[in-house]
Amino acid sequence: EDQVTQSPEALRLQEGESSSLNCSYTVSGLRGLFWYRQDPGKGPEFLFTLYSAGEEKEKERLKATLTKKESFLHITAPKPEDSATYLCAPWGGSARQLTFGSGTQLTVLP
Amino acid sequence: NAGVTQTPKFQVLKTGQSMTLQCAQDMNHNSMYWYRQDPGMGLRLIYYSASEGTTDKGEVPNGYNVSRLNKREFSLRLESAAPSQTSVYFCASVIQGDYGYTFGSGTRLTVV
Repeated sequence: EDQVTQSPEALRLQEGESSSLNCSYTVSGLRGLFWYRQDPGKGPEFLFTLYSAGEEKEKERLKATLTKKESFLHITAPKPEDSATYLCAPWGGSARQLTFGSGTQLTVLP
Repeated sequence: NAGVTQTPKFQVLKTGQSMTLQCAQDMNHNSMYWYRQDPGMGLRLIYYSASEGTTDKGEVPNGYNVSRLNKREFSLRLESAAPSQTSVYFCASVIQGDYGYTFGSGTRLTVV
């Protein structure tokens, strides 16, 4: 059975305090892994797709990395506007669809 | 603006009532999806349509039906609503699987 676990469930950071979010997965036949950002009351917004172990992608203060068993979303010197829930979603598995994690709720305090 | 449009944004139903959630995209995407999001459980796939004219069950299809009306529109129907269907429903579309999905802004449904 395809499984995705994100940790921590919630994270509070001071502005400028760097940290990492984790996404551990067990998905057969992984074809890619997606990261999304979700603001309260809105739909998820696409951030990155990673396709193979060792791949990295960056966007502003965010950098996503991928290994064979997990993905990390590194946040460097975060700002309050980075506050959101971050979702990871491996793509593949028995249904060949996205399997979403339950997310990490990030709060960045000024 | 191009994107995915969902209607209604909010709905309250009584147990046993029926309703249809509407979704339309104007990006010429091939595949469309319906998800539900519940606290602590992430997004779960209800039904999807890989292309116009096809639909398939996802992880949690019971109590729902879908119609891919044309390439733009994908509707989700609750025939007899139950309190367990209280959730936020998201529609999404993608041109093909390895691109990022575009999500609508959601429908918040409460069944009392």
